[in-house]
Amino acid sequence: DSGVTQTPKHLITATGQRVTLRCSPRSGDLSVYWYQQSLDQGLQFLIQYYNGEERAKGNILERFSAQQFPDLHSELNLSSLELGDSALYFCASSEGGATEAFFGQGTRLTVV
Amino acid sequence: AQTVTQSQPEMSVQEAETVTLSCTYDTSESDYYLFWYKQPPSRQMILVIRQEAYKQQNATENRFSVNFQKAAKSFSLKISDSQLGDAAMYFCAYRSAHAGGTSYGKLTFGQGTILTVHP
Repeated sequence: DSGVTQTPKHLITATGQRVTLRCSPRSGDLSVYWYQQSLDQGLQFLIQYYNGEERAKGNILERFSAQQFPDLHSELNLSSLELGDSALYFCASSEGGATEAFFGQGTRLTVV
Repeated sequence: AQTVTQSQPEMSVQEAETVTLSCTYDTSESDYYLFWYKQPPSRQMILVIRQEAYKQQNATENRFSVNFQKAAKSFSLKISDSQLGDAAMYFCAYRSAHAGGTSYGKLTFGQGTILTVHP
């Protein structure tokens, strides 16, 4: 158990819908990262938050947004969903940018 | 931008034998970290081993060791005495060590190598 909790584990939704993925980092970790794993794109970095502020942005679509709350949990919002958004979404956390990142078990999103 | 390449989509090994997974990377930075992550069928990403670029000594963790060749930008993973539980997808990953940069903390992954272990 990495200590990073992601909910839900599985999500099935229709095209055009909006979903929210939630991540609780390990106790004490200030950094949260979101990654997308799909068959054609592999593991891609989406976005990083550090202590509530956006720290780095990767290949995140405009339809996607994230935030980190004062209690340090984070949410990834995906809207106007398309079939191609079906993927495994991972959250990872670390104390800062210089330490190991520990991954949650991921949320499997299926868009039908 | 940094890139990580794993040229072996699939590898197989007999139980108790040794296997080496290859990884090359491209970067203009001098300070960075390299990692190997394991992803079993459960999909959990598990850190196997890490290497700091400033350290010449190759990292080892029990049956797992790396061959880090900084000049060649090569970072291979050797698994000794392979076990059935080692069967998984293995990812090589790069992380910058430059604080303050826009890529600080983010991991750049290779495409992965599927390892099959035969009994």
